[in-house]
Amino acid sequence: KNEVEQSPQNLTAQEGEFITINCSYSVGISALHWLQQHPGGGIVSLFMLSSGKKKHGRLIATINIQEKHSSLHITASHPRDSAVYICAVTNMYSGGGADGLTFGKGTHLIIQP
Amino acid sequence: DGGITQSPKYLFRKEGQNVTLSCEQNLNHDAMYWYRQDPGQGLRLIYYSQIVNDFQKGDIAEGYSVSREKKESFPLTVTSAQKNPTAFYLCASSISQRETQYFGPGTRLLVL
Repeated sequence: KNEVEQSPQNLTAQEGEFITINCSYSVGISALHWLQQHPGGGIVSLFMLSSGKKKHGRLIATINIQEKHSSLHITASHPRDSAVYICAVTNMYSGGGADGLTFGKGTHLIIQP
Repeated sequence: DGGITQSPKYLFRKEGQNVTLSCEQNLNHDAMYWYRQDPGQGLRLIYYSQIVNDFQKGDIAEGYSVSREKKESFPLTVTSAQKNPTAFYLCASSISQRETQYFGPGTRLLVL
């Protein structure tokens, strides 16, 4: 079974700082997902990527398949970015469907004004 | 507006009682999922359904049951056999397996 590790577990930064959250996994995947969970609990999917880099506004996600590693970057961070960021992977070698998803424990990010 | 809804937002269960959590989507998605989230742990899959009238157990299905009689609806019943039901429950849906999943707002279940 895939092991998904995120770092750091907790991160507090000042408004405007460049933020990096890391995710590593242990076995081959077909896709990696970055999710955002706000204090109320709802989860929003930010990115799904299988190679290279994707950008949406101030958010950038990269993945290195050979190193089994992904990073989520936030540029010009803002207090509204405060949330839990979750990495999840779609496992390559499974029967397909939801049994192929493995989640990390999340990174709790706080951006102070 | 298309989306996925869950109700209620908070649910209280008495000892020995079965309770049902609602999940509805109007995104025309074939696949639907139920996850459980506990503090300090990643989401864990309870059940999933790839198509109407079919569903499969996830990693932690014991003490739970589901039905998928309609494409739009995937209710989860927490039975009295689930000894530690206090958790945050999230429902999700996707166009098909392995596609981006869209999550509902969640239901927090507490035991009285």
